[in-house]
Amino acid sequence: AQKVTQAQTEISVVEKEDVTLDCVYETRDTTYYLFWYKQPPSGELVFLIRRNSFDEQNEISGRYSWNFQKSTSSFNFTITASQVVDSAVYFCALKRAGNMLTFGGGTRLMVKP
Amino acid sequence: EAGVAQSPRYKIIEKRQSVAFWCNPISGHATLYWYQQILGQGPKLLIQFQNNGVVDDSQLPKDRFSAERLKGVDSTLKIQPAKLEDSAVYLCASSSIRQGPPYEQYFGPGTRLTVT
Repeated sequence: AQKVTQAQTEISVVEKEDVTLDCVYETRDTTYYLFWYKQPPSGELVFLIRRNSFDEQNEISGRYSWNFQKSTSSFNFTITASQVVDSAVYFCALKRAGNMLTFGGGTRLMVKP
Repeated sequence: EAGVAQSPRYKIIEKRQSVAFWCNPISGHATLYWYQQILGQGPKLLIQFQNNGVVDDSQLPKDRFSAERLKGVDSTLKIQPAKLEDSAVYLCASSSIRQGPPYEQYFGPGTRLTVT
């Protein structure tokens, strides 16, 4: 069975603080992909990053960084120097062969000025 | 390149009424997905099409939900009759097999359904 857990349902920070969103996954597959999506108030899911199970290199893109650790089945997302525009719901998702995406419950991030 | 289009954006109906949602995927994308996102939860896959054939509809409540993609392009999702618990955002996504794995999905803006 596939499962994605985002234990933090809501996080509130003040602008310019760093914040980490946690994601823990379960899968029996050896080949899989992990994703992060952002869902702003407009409702559309915006793709942020994907990782395959064979690539544990961490990635940095501007203020965003991702830490993938297979040993702990985690794929955490850090926003450095948060901004008000980062306020959104963030979803971690797992994809197995056959194209099915399994989403976590999401973390609502509120960045206050 | 135009994104995934969905209509209507909002719909309010009474329970036991019927409703239909429309989705037009990105041009050339053979795979189309319908997701249901209940408030406060992550999206849940309802049905996946490859061209005009169903790949996975294991989580589609078939007693009231139906979906079709007759010509392998746009798709319609129908609920008949609607229940209060069907209130949710219905998201459509598409992906291209030409890109190779992981067949990244592109999402539309969704249709917000309220059943009263």
